[in-house]
Amino acid sequence: GAGVSQSPRYKVAKRGQDVALRCDPISGHVSLFWYQQALGQGPEFLTYFQNEAQLDKSGLPSDRFFAERPEGSVSTLKIQRTQQEDSAVYLCASSLNQAGRSYNEQFFGPGTRLTVL
Amino acid sequence: SQQGEEDPQALSIQEGENATMNCSYKTSINNLQWYRQNSGRGLVHLILIRSNEREKHSGRLRVTLDTSKKSSSLLITASRAADTASYFCATDRGSTLGRLYFGRGTQLTVWP
Repeated sequence: GAGVSQSPRYKVAKRGQDVALRCDPISGHVSLFWYQQALGQGPEFLTYFQNEAQLDKSGLPSDRFFAERPEGSVSTLKIQRTQQEDSAVYLCASSLNQAGRSYNEQFFGPGTRLTVL
Repeated sequence: SQQGEEDPQALSIQEGENATMNCSYKTSINNLQWYRQNSGRGLVHLILIRSNEREKHSGRLRVTLDTSKKSSSLLITASRAADTASYFCATDRGSTLGRLYFGRGTQLTVWP
């Protein structure tokens, strides 16, 4: 596909369950970002990868959140022991990250809506 | 924490009218961007304005930036029902790593 894809689109979990959210970035895009968007709010940064290296994870809200991108392409955001406050839309974005450019446009996926009961 | 504050939080207009949304931010920036989000969808990039620019146009969109007031505005002219969406501003807080800081957004409703 031409864009960023995410799966599943919707996930319902019981409190305490572990969940894994997948992001397929645009082929060749070096940078990958995860954002969390609570209802009625703007997206908030979670973590950033450049290829397989996780360069910034300062936005992860707790140690229950873990992200990986082992081969520098697909990324997985894992949430352990989910809590009700984890309910949100999780957005993934990728960018080309061309050297020498001061800005590289981020392309967003449709998001995964997580509901924790 | 949210970087920008958009106002109004909600805006309701008739087709053909112009829609103006404002954004304020708190830190220095390299650039400011506006995004659009339809209900249940991801964000779509609309326009970027650099810190040394004051105004930028793209089709029916006009963005202004006042770095002395740390504010920006997005004007959509001759609005259409299809413009109904949430609009967010986002800044980089002066970083070049690409991380974006979003405001809470303005929900625009355009009535046919």
